[in-house]
Amino acid sequence: SAVISQKPSRDICQRGTSLTIQCQVDSQVTMMFWYRQQPGQSLTLIATANQGSEATYESGFVIDKFPISRPNLTFSTLTVSNMSPEDSSIYLCSALPTTGGSYNEQFFGPGTRLTVL
Amino acid sequence: SQQGEEDPQALSIQEGENATMNCSYKTSINNLQWYRQNSGRGLVHLILIRSNEREKHSGRLRVTLDTSKKSSSLLITASRAADTASYFCATDAGGTSYGKLTFGQGTILTVHP
Repeated sequence: SAVISQKPSRDICQRGTSLTIQCQVDSQVTMMFWYRQQPGQSLTLIATANQGSEATYESGFVIDKFPISRPNLTFSTLTVSNMSPEDSSIYLCSALPTTGGSYNEQFFGPGTRLTVL
Repeated sequence: SQQGEEDPQALSIQEGENATMNCSYKTSINNLQWYRQNSGRGLVHLILIRSNEREKHSGRLRVTLDTSKKSSSLLITASRAADTASYFCATDAGGTSYGKLTFGQGTILTVHP
């Protein structure tokens, strides 16, 4: 398993500003992901955070809006840029501890609750 | 886009009763995972079932998978008030999409003491 922490746990931001969310895993993992959960909705994958290379974004998400870094195998950041009220969501990171098989449980951080005014 | 559909959207039961939630999906999968979320917090991993498995148990949880119908169910037996939460299924298609989970819309379970 993997224990994941996120900072900050919540924040209230003004429109037009940016927020960087940090995700720390207690062990080295091959794959890390970022998800968004809009109010009252399910989770949607934003991107795969690749160690040592650019993140891979899903349809509807772009690097300019959600730049992601992954400097090593235990840490990643997601920045929400030029925020608008529509960005108010819970942002969650996840980690997939690959053990060599192809059926691995994916673990999630506690989430960052973002409110944009 | 979300491919998972869950029903019911909301379920209200009394403590001690069983709760069954269903999940349907549209594409082939490598595995399916169930999660619990309390009050908009992080997701707690409950159980993973592989595409070649039909049933799996973990404590009071029983998960079934029918790949021919592209559906799964989560049964919580002898429910407790502490089981009150939102429950989500998530599918992993594997291959080049390995690890990229597609979530269902979730079932809100309320267990009354």
